[in-house]
Amino acid sequence: GQNIDQPTEMTATEGAIVQINCTYQTSGFNGLFWYQQHAGEAPTFLSYNVLDGLEEKGRFSSFLSRSKGYSYLLLKELQMKDSASYLCAVLDGNYQLIWGAGTKLIIKP
Amino acid sequence: GAVVSQHPSWVICKSGTSVKIECRSLDFQATTMFWYRQFPKQSLMLMATSNEGSKATYEQGVEKDKFLINHASLTLSTLTVTSAHPEDSSFYICSARSAGRSADTQYFGPGTRLTVL
Repeated sequence: GQNIDQPTEMTATEGAIVQINCTYQTSGFNGLFWYQQHAGEAPTFLSYNVLDGLEEKGRFSSFLSRSKGYSYLLLKELQMKDSASYLCAVLDGNYQLIWGAGTKLIIKP
Repeated sequence: GAVVSQHPSWVICKSGTSVKIECRSLDFQATTMFWYRQFPKQSLMLMATSNEGSKATYEQGVEKDKFLINHASLTLSTLTVTSAHPEDSSFYICSARSAGRSADTQYFGPGTRLTVL
């Protein structure tokens, strides 16, 4: 079966750095997405990786290793507004988007 | 950036009534739109995939006669919850994907919170 794993919850301090990991096992692979979802709101797109390596976009970076079925989202200089759920999703071989359960990130002052 | 709107943002209705939710892509043509449902503290659950001009593809366990989807144009898809019951109360989110945009990225609407009394 297809599976995406990410931690349920993480806690970090304002101004610090946090890394949210995602591992996946899917039938085929056409890219991995990270979305941010604040409570009560719809997800917003953060990043897309289809090749191995690191993609940097401001305070957020996303890394992919296809051979390891592994990705992480790195958030730097954490702000209180970064408190949200972060969803990892993989586009499988049939171009179906498989969603992880999300990681709830709690930022403390 | 890509903008997807949803209307209404929230709706309260009586049990047994039908509710229609609209999803529009405002600045691009969406060849494919997706409808998700999300219960509190749970992940997104894909309900159905709709391609413009064709019948929607429903996920296993989703009643197609209860959740009617119409994707009549490249910018509009509608979800109608027929004969709604309290267990249908949820956060309904649509997303749109355009073949012309890179990475098959899905852009989400703001969601519709449905409460059935």
